[in-house]
Amino acid sequence: DTGVSQDPRHKITKRGQNVTFRCDPISEHNRLYWYRQTLGQGPEFLTYFQNEAQLEKSRLLSDRFSAERPKGSFSTLEIQRTEQGDSAMYLCASSPPGLAPLGQFFGPGTRLTVL
Amino acid sequence: AQTVTQSQPEMSVQEAETVTLSCTYDTSESDYYLFWYKQPPSRQMILVIRQEAYKQQNATENRFSVNFQKAAKSFSLKISDSQLGDAAMYFCAYTGTASKLTFGTGTRLQVTL
Repeated sequence: DTGVSQDPRHKITKRGQNVTFRCDPISEHNRLYWYRQTLGQGPEFLTYFQNEAQLEKSRLLSDRFSAERPKGSFSTLEIQRTEQGDSAMYLCASSPPGLAPLGQFFGPGTRLTVL
Repeated sequence: AQTVTQSQPEMSVQEAETVTLSCTYDTSESDYYLFWYKQPPSRQMILVIRQEAYKQQNATENRFSVNFQKAAKSFSLKISDSQLGDAAMYFCAYTGTASKLTFGTGTRLQVTL
């Protein structure tokens, strides 16, 4: 039984560069979420997919951010023209289908450092 | 908008003792779910316990239990027989009709010998 995986685990980039992160959810989970967590804070919601449809985007997700889940399996989160304020841990989570939320299962995160 | 407040930035407990972490929330929704998550240092977030708002019975998972007071919008976590492995950040989280989780700012729990 494999959990949620994320790649890469760490990314260091220079300001202005583009970065892309990947998330592979638990196989039977149809819902996938992206969160951002800065030091000493709780995770903040960025966006949410049900299968391949992106159902909600946070105001935190500026035009420089885009997320996809093309076949309803893995998802990518791209940040264009990175800024130092983008430095954070980016968390992916997935949850199974059903009306009652059983809880979201989180991956290990991708830590982004923008120099 | 829903908010989740954790007023204890840090707590400390001796091994084998009991500790209670506080959480309050604000919502106008009638149907919602509450969670406690544990995040050990440099490790991923783990679901500890879940509570449905429509259930009056408090959830229990082994040494972890909650005190859910719906009218007061309070959802505290009790850890009994604390172990060194319980040391972590603990986050209270809420979800209602939207699927996203809204988290509190967390409580760092230290476990001492």
